[in-house]
Amino acid sequence: DIQMTQSPSSLSASVGDRVTITCRASQSISIYLNWYHQKPGKAPKLLISAASHLQSGVPSRFSGSGSGTDFTLTISSLQPEDFATYYCQQTYSIPPTFGQGTKVEIK
Amino acid sequence: EVQLVESGGGLVQPGGSLRLSCEASGFTFSRHWMTWVRQGPGKGLEWVANIKEDGSARYYVDSVKGRFTISRDDAKDSVYLQMNTLRADDTAVYYCARVFRGVFASDAFDIWGQGTMVTVSP
Repeated sequence: DIQMTQSPSSLSASVGDRVTITCRASQSISIYLNWYHQKPGKAPKLLISAASHLQSGVPSRFSGSGSGTDFTLTISSLQPEDFATYYCQQTYSIPPTFGQGTKVEIK
Repeated sequence: EVQLVESGGGLVQPGGSLRLSCEASGFTFSRHWMTWVRQGPGKGLEWVANIKEDGSARYYVDSVKGRFTISRDDAKDSVYLQMNTLRADDTAVYYCARVFRGVFASDAFDIWGQGTMVTVSP
């Protein structure tokens, strides 16, 4: 199985900050990498697919980059509604595996 | 409105069985792979199983192989998860999700249900 490792596991940031979360795969996954966020008690929401493709309706402050084994999710200007846990996921091979999550908290 | 609604969760004893259902609306169900993902209390997301559009292919995470069965009924726009020989570590919120095939044939889970809680305890 492909292991996905996110860093950091948690971070504290202020509204307006630029935030970067990284995700590393244990082997090359091309661009088959998705990003989700999840708020407490809610289902995950797809933000970015195929490493860099923003889902319809997702604000443009979110962006994704990377290929192979190293990927990045960037929030250019953190907003109050962005405080959540973020997960990366690879769909290069079965089983599709998720990172352990990055909790973004208010500083 | 595109949505998925799960049902069937509850409290069950170790070794027992439970059947989860997920009803879709607002999209052509028969054109999509469907999947189940679970999340243990305070834990991350774990993919459980998925099923092809026509039901001809099914895949499972190793920890549920031989115990869980995913199925679908396109006439009812529904996907199911039959869970047998349940264990304490199956305790989780179970989500169904639609598989979206996007650019470069990449897959992502783009529509999620609200989740249904399964608790395995004596």
